[in-house]
Amino acid sequence: EPEVTQTPSHQVTQMGQEVILRCVPISNHLYFYWYRQILGQKVEFLVSFYNNEISEKSEIFDDQFSVERPDGSNFTLKIRSTKLEDSAMYFCASSFRTGGTEQFFGPGTRLTVL
Amino acid sequence: QKEVEQDPGPLSVPEGAIVSLNCTYSNSAFQYFMWYRQYSRKGPELLMYTYSSGNKEDGRFTAQVDKSSKYISLFIRDSQPSDSATYLCAIPANQAGTALIFGKGTTLSVSS
Repeated sequence: EPEVTQTPSHQVTQMGQEVILRCVPISNHLYFYWYRQILGQKVEFLVSFYNNEISEKSEIFDDQFSVERPDGSNFTLKIRSTKLEDSAMYFCASSFRTGGTEQFFGPGTRLTVL
Repeated sequence: QKEVEQDPGPLSVPEGAIVSLNCTYSNSAFQYFMWYRQYSRKGPELLMYTYSSGNKEDGRFTAQVDKSSKYISLFIRDSQPSDSATYLCAIPANQAGTALIFGKGTTLSVSS
């Protein structure tokens, strides 16, 4: 069964460093998403991406964040200058359509900012 | 204003019990409702997807939507220890469905 994959599974970085989180969405999906989950809190929407541009972003997704689909398979989230409060699980998701249809999530990358 | 409310539990039941998990939501424009299951330190896994009011059944799982009271439920019949997880309800944030709003999740423990 096709699935969303994410690398690395765990990333440790120093405050102020740049990190890139990588995702490979399901191959025939067209819509891509990033969410995050701070320990013990809700899963929160960050950004959605379609046709090589951002469809929607939340208040969390400020200028420190960017997304890119550098080739036909990868989807990345870059955090330019990490802060302690960026420590969280970051989940990539993809869907074939939008309109509230099924979004399939990857296993997540645990980001720890020291 | 919180858009999706969910009792975090924890909820502990014996194997074979019927489990009822619930969410309330505030925006009556929501049309799609989803239930995800999340095992510890894993990504959310889509369980059920329902549109508008009524019931939808998939094996031991039944999702129910009551739009008049803005209440969604997930029932698990014959619960198994492998059902022990956190269950998240999710609702599209807008008509385009480009973002999901999640409840905080209810943690379920099924003992054998």
